[in-house]
Amino acid sequence: TQLLEQSPQFLSIQEGENLTVYCNSSSVFSSLQWYRQEPGEGPVLLVTVVTGGEVKKLKRLTFQFGDARKDSSLHITAAQTGDTGLYLCAGSYIQTGGGNKLTFGTGTQLKVEL
Amino acid sequence: NAGVMQNPRHLVRRRGQEARLRCSPMKGHSHVYWYRQLPEEGLKFMVYLQKENIIDESGMPKERFSAEFPKEGPSILRIQQVVRGDSAAYFCASSRTGNSNQPQHFGDGTRLSIL
Repeated sequence: TQLLEQSPQFLSIQEGENLTVYCNSSSVFSSLQWYRQEPGEGPVLLVTVVTGGEVKKLKRLTFQFGDARKDSSLHITAAQTGDTGLYLCAGSYIQTGGGNKLTFGTGTQLKVEL
Repeated sequence: NAGVMQNPRHLVRRRGQEARLRCSPMKGHSHVYWYRQLPEEGLKFMVYLQKENIIDESGMPKERFSAEFPKEGPSILRIQQVVRGDSAAYFCASSRTGNSNQPQHFGDGTRLSIL
C-alpha cells in the first residue's frame, strides 16, 4: 500500500509570510498532483509534476518533485488570505492493467490571517 | 467547458435504503474514478471505470457497493442497504486517458447522510 505523509498537518500564518508544505512517501510515483479543497467542494487541481527534479511555478506557488520521485513540496511566497484552504498531494503509480488510481496525502490545512 | 458534474449534491437516506450517486465526466473524458472521503479522513480510491468496463475496483467494499459507466449516460455508484458508516462525501473524477501522468479533475461531490 502506497502512503503519502504530508507535513505540517495544520499551519496558521500571517498574511505576507512564506510557507512550505511537504509530501513524502517511501514509494516511487510516476506523477504527483497537488490539489486545493475548500469546505463543501471538490479538490481543485493546481499542478501535475511528472519528471524527477521538476519545478513548476504558478504565480506565488512553486511546486517541486523530488529527484527520486518519492517526495514533493509546495512553497507559497507572500501568502494571502485567499490561500486559506486544505492542500492535498496525490500520487499516481504505474499499474498493471492500466489506470491512474490516486493515493492521497493526509492533507495540510492552511489558514492565512490578516 | 463544463467540469465534472455530480448529483445530487446532498442525499439523505434511512438505514436499509438504496443510494444512487451520479457522475457525468468532463467533455472528452472517458475515464471515471470514484473516491470516498469519510469524516476526518482523507480521500480514498474506490473504483476506476471506462465506458462499459470496470478496470479496477480494489477500493470497493465487497458487499452492497457497485458501480457502472454505461455507453450512454452518467456513471452510477450504487449503495444498497445503506448503514450509518456509509455517511461520507463521495467524489467522482475524470481524465482524458488512463495514463498515470494524466491529471484527474474532480466534481464537487455528493454528501451522503444516513439517518
